[in-house]
Amino acid sequence: DSGVTQTPKHLITATGQRVTLRCSPRSGDLSVYWYQQSLDQGLQFLIQYYNGEERAKGNILERFSAQQFPDLHSELNLSSLELGDSALYFCASSVGSAGELFFGEGSRLTVL
Amino acid sequence: GIQVEQSPPDLILQEGANSTLRCNFSDSVNNLQWFHQNPWGQLINLFYIPSGTKQNGRLSATTVATERYSLLYISSSQTTDSGVYFCAGDSGGSNYKLTFGKGTLLTVNP
Repeated sequence: DSGVTQTPKHLITATGQRVTLRCSPRSGDLSVYWYQQSLDQGLQFLIQYYNGEERAKGNILERFSAQQFPDLHSELNLSSLELGDSALYFCASSVGSAGELFFGEGSRLTVL
Repeated sequence: GIQVEQSPPDLILQEGANSTLRCNFSDSVNNLQWFHQNPWGQLINLFYIPSGTKQNGRLSATTVATERYSLLYISSSQTTDSGVYFCAGDSGGSNYKLTFGKGTLLTVNP
């Protein structure tokens, strides 16, 4: 158990819908990262938050947004879902703004 | 951004065999890490190894940062070692973006 908690573990929805994925970092970690893992793209960095502020941005679509709340948990919002958004979405956390990452168990999103 | 190349892409072993997995980076690398993704999809930290050598039981890793590569050694492999092994690193700077390789799929047969 890495200490990073993600919910839900599985999610099935339809095209055009919106979903929210939630992540609680390890106790004491200030950074939260979101990654997308799909069969064709591998593990792709989406976005990082550090102590409530956006720190780094990767290949995140405009239809996706994220935020980190004062209690340091984070949410990833995915809207206008397409079939190609089906993937495993991981959250990770670290103590500082860089360094060793610890991953949650992931949220598997299926868009039908 | 930094490019990460892992080899071999696939590896099949008999239980008890040893193996070496390699990770090459296109540029100088920071915050190098190795992960194991088990068949259930969980990403498990193996090593945080920006440089030098570390050992944890049957696993060890060596990073030669100046030559931009890292090696993961698995000795006396077990069926539970099966899964995908990823290395990841970032190129430094103000934005921390850990870039992953495509992974090595390891299958250990009993």
